Amino acid sequence: DSGVTQTPKHLITATGQRVTLRCSPRSGDLSVYWYQQSLDQGLQFLIQYYNGEERAKGNILERFSAQQFPDLHSELNLSSLELGDSALYFCASSVDSGDGETQYFGPGTRLLVL
Amino acid sequence: GENVEQHPSTLSVQEGDSAVIKCTYSDSASNYFPWYKQELGKRPQLIIDIRSNVGEKKDQRIAVTLNKTAKHFSLHITETQPEDSAVYFCAAPQRNTGRRALTFGSGTRLQVQP
Repeated sequence: DSGVTQTPKHLITATGQRVTLRCSPRSGDLSVYWYQQSLDQGLQFLIQYYNGEERAKGNILERFSAQQFPDLHSELNLSSLELGDSALYFCASSVDSGDGETQYFGPGTRLLVL
Repeated sequence: GENVEQHPSTLSVQEGDSAVIKCTYSDSASNYFPWYKQELGKRPQLIIDIRSNVGEKKDQRIAVTLNKTAKHFSLHITETQPEDSAVYFCAAPQRNTGRRALTFGSGTRLQVQP
């Protein structure tokens, strides 16, 4: 157990819908990262937040957004869902936001868009 | 951004043999190289990491070596056991995120035959 929690574990929804994925970092960690894992694209970085502020952005679609709240939990919002958004979504956390921070991954949310 | 190439994509060994997985990276300023193990449907689990100020790090049956000149690093597993069977990912800091996020290799599926 990494200490990072994610809910829900599984999510099944239809195209065009909107969902919210939630992540709580390890105690003491200020930084949260979101990654998407699909069969054809592997593990891809989406976005990072540090102490409530966006710090880095990867290949995140405009239909996707995220935020980090004062209690440091983070939410990833996915809207206008398409079949291709079906994937495992992981969040990871680290103590700080610098170069080469050790990242610990949560158990992931498996999203299936039908 | 950072480009991380990982080989081989699949590796089958007999129990007790050694396994070696290799990765190359493109950003010469990268200074942190973690390895993650992922079992089917589970989270990536950090198993070992190395920073650029050392050339080798060992933890029981697992070791990582780093050659900064050639820009490659390798994972070595000795005395493999069936429970080592999993997908292994190497990673390196992603330059276009200020090296905050990780770029992952494409993964190596290791099968240890009893």
